[in-house]
Amino acid sequence: AQSVTQLDSQVPVFEEAPVELRCNYSSSVSVYLFWYVQYPNQGLQLLLKYLSGSTLVKGINGFEAEFNKSQTSFHLRKPSVHISDTAEYFCAVSDPFGNEKLTFGTGTRLTIIP
Amino acid sequence: DVKVTQSSRYLVKRTGEKVFLECVQDMDHENMFWYRQDPGLGLRLIYFSYDVKMKEKGDIPEGYSVSREKKERFSLILESASTNQTSMYLCASSPDGDEQFFGPGTRLTVL
Repeated sequence: AQSVTQLDSQVPVFEEAPVELRCNYSSSVSVYLFWYVQYPNQGLQLLLKYLSGSTLVKGINGFEAEFNKSQTSFHLRKPSVHISDTAEYFCAVSDPFGNEKLTFGTGTRLTIIP
Repeated sequence: DVKVTQSSRYLVKRTGEKVFLECVQDMDHENMFWYRQDPGLGLRLIYFSYDVKMKEKGDIPEGYSVSREKKERFSLILESASTNQTSMYLCASSPDGDEQFFGPGTRLTVL
């Protein structure tokens, strides 16, 4: 069985400061990894995904994430945040050879302080 | 532009009522999913379907059923709504082995 841990439920960051949102997973098989963002009163939108290849993945809105197999992590980073980045962020994992199910973490609420 | 639509953004129902939540996708995706989202719990999978008339239980199927009569439509049914089913319900679809595309969600309140 797979699981995802997002240790930080809330992260406050000053505008234009860097941010890292942490994600750790557990799985006995190879994985696909995803970061989704949910803006207030909206559904989830894909930020980026790791399927294979380069471990550094770049996504939309200036976000990037690095897949670290030895540490079973997929942390999300942005060098300089903006007020519009205020949202909830979800990390998710799936089994490439499984049944297309995604297992989500509990989410991290990012609040940008002006 | 890909699109997943859900029949209602907000819904208020009474305990014991039968509730239908509808989801439609226009991307010809094989797979469709229903999640509920609760604060501090993230998204939990209720049911999913990878073909017409096929369904699989997710992590929390109790109290719910689903129907997929056409490829583009996936319905979630609460046979007898209870207050602990008050939640945000999210529908998603995906092609094989790739990202899921989400609808805007239905916020259901059961009184």
